[in-house]
Amino acid sequence: DQQVKQNSPSLSVQEGRISILNCDYTNSMFDYFLWYKKYPAEGPTFLISISSIKDKNEDGRFTVFLNKSAKHLSLHIVPSQPGDSAVYFCAARTEYALNFGKGTSLLVTP
Amino acid sequence: DAMVIQNPRYQVTQFGKPVTLSCSQTLNHNVMYWYQQKSSQAPKLLFHYYDKDFNNEADTPDNFQSRRPNTSFCFLDIRSPGLGDAAMYLCATSVDGTGVDEQFFGPGTRLTVL
Repeated sequence: DQQVKQNSPSLSVQEGRISILNCDYTNSMFDYFLWYKKYPAEGPTFLISISSIKDKNEDGRFTVFLNKSAKHLSLHIVPSQPGDSAVYFCAARTEYALNFGKGTSLLVTP
Repeated sequence: DAMVIQNPRYQVTQFGKPVTLSCSQTLNHNVMYWYQQKSSQAPKLLFHYYDKDFNNEADTPDNFQSRRPNTSFCFLDIRSPGLGDAAMYLCATSVDGTGVDEQFFGPGTRLTVL
């Protein structure tokens, strides 16, 4: 069973606007949530994380919001840049294992 | 630069012919992971090593084995590849698997089974 779900396979946003990528999870035991970014022919690279005891974490243009009651998190990218075009994976951690979503492909158009 | 290296990047094998994928790291991390990612699917953890301690996921097929001869290297052995084993195989490392403990990924090996 997929415990981490990214229901939007793709998203297209204009340069300079906000990109919002969403993620839902089912396991309330997850203690950390991470976002990874993946370019073609490269492995995923860590972007930003949030602990389950927080509801917001910000790093430059990237902000992750966590709503534990709704079991939902989102990644906001403001402003979006063409170089942000990539596949974004949401991942949730319990003990050692990372449970990944299927990813959302973001395209930022000029 | 410290990194996670996977060789080869592309591997073609025949149905039933054993194949070994390689991963090495210069990060000196304690934990090494192997993930399988099929097309349009989420990466799925197969197993991981904490130092020399091997931890298999419950649903990883017996066809998949792993070796970690030292801190730097970890191998994924597929004893009898089937068509369903065609996938991208990702190796990752992390410091100790606790806290936020970011995992660092290699570029992956794409396995084709003919």
